[in-house]
Amino acid sequence: QVTLRESGPALVKPTQTVTLTCSFSGFSLSTSKMCVSWIRQPPGKALEWLARIDWDDEKYFNTSLKTRLTISKDTSKNQVVLRMTNMDPVDTATYYCARDYSGNRFDYWGQGTLVTVPS
Amino acid sequence: QSVLTQPPSVSAAPGQKVTISCSGSSSNIGNNYVSWYQQLPGTAPKLLIYENNKRPSGIPDRFSGSKSGTSATLGITGLQTGDEADYYCETWDNSLSAGVFGGGTKLTVL
Repeated sequence: QVTLRESGPALVKPTQTVTLTCSFSGFSLSTSKMCVSWIRQPPGKALEWLARIDWDDEKYFNTSLKTRLTISKDTSKNQVVLRMTNMDPVDTATYYCARDYSGNRFDYWGQGTLVTVPS
Repeated sequence: QSVLTQPPSVSAAPGQKVTISCSGSSSNIGNNYVSWYQQLPGTAPKLLIYENNKRPSGIPDRFSGSKSGTSATLGITGLQTGDEADYYCETWDNSLSAGVFGGGTKLTVL
C-alpha cells in the first residue's frame, strides 16, 4: 500500500525559508522509474507543479521558482525534502507531494499541508 | 496564465455526457503523455487517466481520455452528482523541462 504524508510548518514569516518533508511508504525511490513531485495549490486556485526528484537523483524545477527551490531525497528514510526560500504571502498554498511514476503520472498523493505566509 | 488551456467550467445534467478539453503545444501535449486528475472539494487530486487514455484500477469506464495533436480531451458519461469536482490535465513540457498543469475545469452536474 502506497502512502505519502507531507509535514512542515503551518505558518511561515515573509522572507523565511520553509522546509517541507514528504514521508512515504509502499515504494522505494531507489527503484527505476520512481519519482516524487511537489505540487502546490493556493486557496481557490489551480494546481502548480513545483519540482521533481527521480530515482537516479535527477532533479527538475518550475522555471519561475527555480532559484528558490531545492529538492533532496533520503532513500534510507523514504523521505523527500523540499525547501523554498524567501517566502512571500503569494506562496500561501496547500503543498502536496505525489508519487510520480515514470515521470508521467501522479498516481498517489499525500493529503497536503497548508502553509500560510501572512502579509 | 497556465501553459495548458482548459475551459473554466462545464455543466451538464445527470446521466448526460460532458467533455473537457486541454490545449497545449508541440513542446508539451504534442510529444508527451497526458494525465487527468479529479479534485473533489477539500480533498487531494486523484488520478483519473494516464498515458492519454488509460484508467487506473478502480476508475470506472465512464471516464475516458483521448489525445490528438496538441490537444487532449477528458470524457465523462452517465454524469452523477458525485462527479461535481475540479478537473485538471497535466503533462511534461520539454522546453521547460518541467511538469505543467491546466488551469482546471469546474464541472457542475445540474
